[in-house]
Amino acid sequence: EVQLVESGGGLVKPGGSLRLSCAASGFTFSSYSMNWVRQAPGKGLEWVSSISSSSSYIYYADSVKGRFTISRDNAKNSLYLQMNSLRAEDTAVYYCASEVDYYFDYWGQGTLVTVSS
Amino acid sequence: EIVLTQSPDFQSVTPKEKVTITCRASQSIGSSLHWYQQKPDQSPKLLIKYASQSISGVPSRFSGSGSGTDFTLTINSLEAEDAAAYYCHQSSSLPWTFGQGTKVEIK
Repeated sequence: EVQLVESGGGLVKPGGSLRLSCAASGFTFSSYSMNWVRQAPGKGLEWVSSISSSSSYIYYADSVKGRFTISRDNAKNSLYLQMNSLRAEDTAVYYCASEVDYYFDYWGQGTLVTVSS
Repeated sequence: EIVLTQSPDFQSVTPKEKVTITCRASQSIGSSLHWYQQKPDQSPKLLIKYASQSISGVPSRFSGSGSGTDFTLTINSLEAEDAAAYYCHQSSSLPWTFGQGTKVEIK
């Protein structure tokens, strides 16, 4: 059974940093591109970042470029999102999602990030 | 950036009724359009890939159609468990984008 479990969310002050993790199991993690998608409270879905299976290709939404860094450790079956210079508008549930053929086939349960003073 | 516009934003439907949700892209995206269902307090779930391709385990009452700029998600004979928000997503070009969502309520 495929499982994606996010962790690392919490309350952080504007300008602060947070590192999210996503632990994967039940599939060959090293063969799949992975993504972060977020959802602000009561709002729709917003793609944040994507990383290819071998980390050769990395992409970001303009809203987070230069502040967020996506990475992965295939030996640990883990995906990460380092978030710096956080803003109130980054407040959201952050989902990790596996990608096959450019669609998201599995999603984690999400971790809530709240940016507030 | 490709903008996806869904309609309607909200729909209240009685069980067994047919539901149609449309998604219009700001430019042609071929068939690179996927649909997700998000039930309250749950993460999204893939329903349809590449406009019309079914997903294993998804009930057959869900179907998709369209290409280019206009796409449709159809739910035949709505069931109470289908109360959810539905999102389209394009993977034709980065940045990947989603429609604003359509909330389906059961009367």
